[in-house]
Amino acid sequence: RKEVEQDPGPFNVPEGATVAFNCTYSNSASQSFFWYRQDCRKEPKLLMSVYSSGNEDGRFTAQLNRASQYISLLIRDSKLSDSATYLCVVNSWGDDKIIFGKGTRLHILP
Amino acid sequence: DTAVSQTPKYLVTQMGNDKSIKCEQNLGHDTMYWYKQDSKKFLKIMFSYNNKELIINETVPNRFSPKSPDKAHLNLHINSLELGDSAVYFCASSLRQGTQPQHFGDGTRLSIL
Repeated sequence: RKEVEQDPGPFNVPEGATVAFNCTYSNSASQSFFWYRQDCRKEPKLLMSVYSSGNEDGRFTAQLNRASQYISLLIRDSKLSDSATYLCVVNSWGDDKIIFGKGTRLHILP
Repeated sequence: DTAVSQTPKYLVTQMGNDKSIKCEQNLGHDTMYWYKQDSKKFLKIMFSYNNKELIINETVPNRFSPKSPDKAHLNLHINSLELGDSAVYFCASSLRQGTQPQHFGDGTRLSIL
């Protein structure tokens, strides 16, 4: 099993729809989790951290399921500007491993 | 002001050459990183430095040698470039080791002819 796995997509979603994608991780010692966004030919940028209790930032909701070892990102009322690749990041304390998933491509269709 | 800046932005060179990429951050962060993003868009960490000390050294050919003259700079020197080195190389920094967010530079697009 790969350390961090994401469905590469692309997810083609009409504007205004809700879209969700998951990221699974294999190391149960993983301690912190994040979603980054990367636009085409640009650098990755932090979108949001993922807290154990789940957290929301505007139209974005992130959740963590430690038992099943996955994190999720939900985007409500999607906008054209949400089109990007969403990268899952997992940090393991102790060995300081930082692992990026390969990303999920999202295309919002007008 | 650019937070993390890397130069050059594009680098086209021939196989066998030696090249360097420079990175500087003005955020006052302690930790800096080099990542490689290949044609399949997989972003993989190569090195991490904390206060000029090497912390993470992933399985990277020893043709790649990072150098950190101070905590604001982390340069990457590559010897004997190979076709497989073609990728986008991102420099990043974070406040402390293992913390987020990481702030990324714009990337250096390296093409080997």
